[in-house]
Amino acid sequence: DAMVIQNPRYQVTQFGKPVTLSCSQTLNHNVMYWYQQKSSQAPKLLFHYYDKDFNNEADTPDNFQSRRPNTSFCFLDIRSPGLGDAAMYLCATSSRTSGGGETQYFGPGTRLLVL
Amino acid sequence: AQSVTQLDSQVPVFEEAPVELRCNYSSSVSVYLFWYVQYPNQGLQLLLKYLSGSTLVKGINGFEAEFNKSQTSFHLRKPSVHISDTAEYFCAVTPDTGFQKLVFGTGTRLLVSP
Repeated sequence: DAMVIQNPRYQVTQFGKPVTLSCSQTLNHNVMYWYQQKSSQAPKLLFHYYDKDFNNEADTPDNFQSRRPNTSFCFLDIRSPGLGDAAMYLCATSSRTSGGGETQYFGPGTRLLVL
Repeated sequence: AQSVTQLDSQVPVFEEAPVELRCNYSSSVSVYLFWYVQYPNQGLQLLLKYLSGSTLVKGINGFEAEFNKSQTSFHLRKPSVHISDTAEYFCAVTPDTGFQKLVFGTGTRLLVSP
């Protein structure tokens, strides 16, 4: 089945220690998104890639970076995680069309714990 | 900019009872509307979406929603819920032009008990 895969499902890191979360997709979608979801809150868009074009949200901290080496993979790098970065990180994909209204397909998420 | 209000943070209901989850939005431009469901420790899954046409939209798992432009609402309904419907439900909106960033509401937790 075509899907969005996130690894690992759970990640524990130390305060200030760089961490990378990964996302892969078999849907061949041209857009990939990273969301941060804190407990009992709505998902918040951090950034997205439209093909190779990176689009950062204005309020995304500089501590968060992303890479998309090819269509299938996208990575979220947190350079110096703080306690406030503990959250569920969701990857999503969509196939952008001229008509709009496309569905976003979400992975199961990576829960990040910062000690 | 768009915003979404889900007034009910939690809705308890008995199995086989009907349920309505409320969603109101604010936008200065025309929008597309979505309902997503999130089961515990999982990602979000699309239930249904309204893009245009009939204001009554049917989705998966027996859910439906009605777009009401004058009341800026997009309430989700199910005539008879199951235990397995216990989950978090998010209403979301995007503008119908330009970059279609999904703006989510804060979610409603549906708790179905026997």
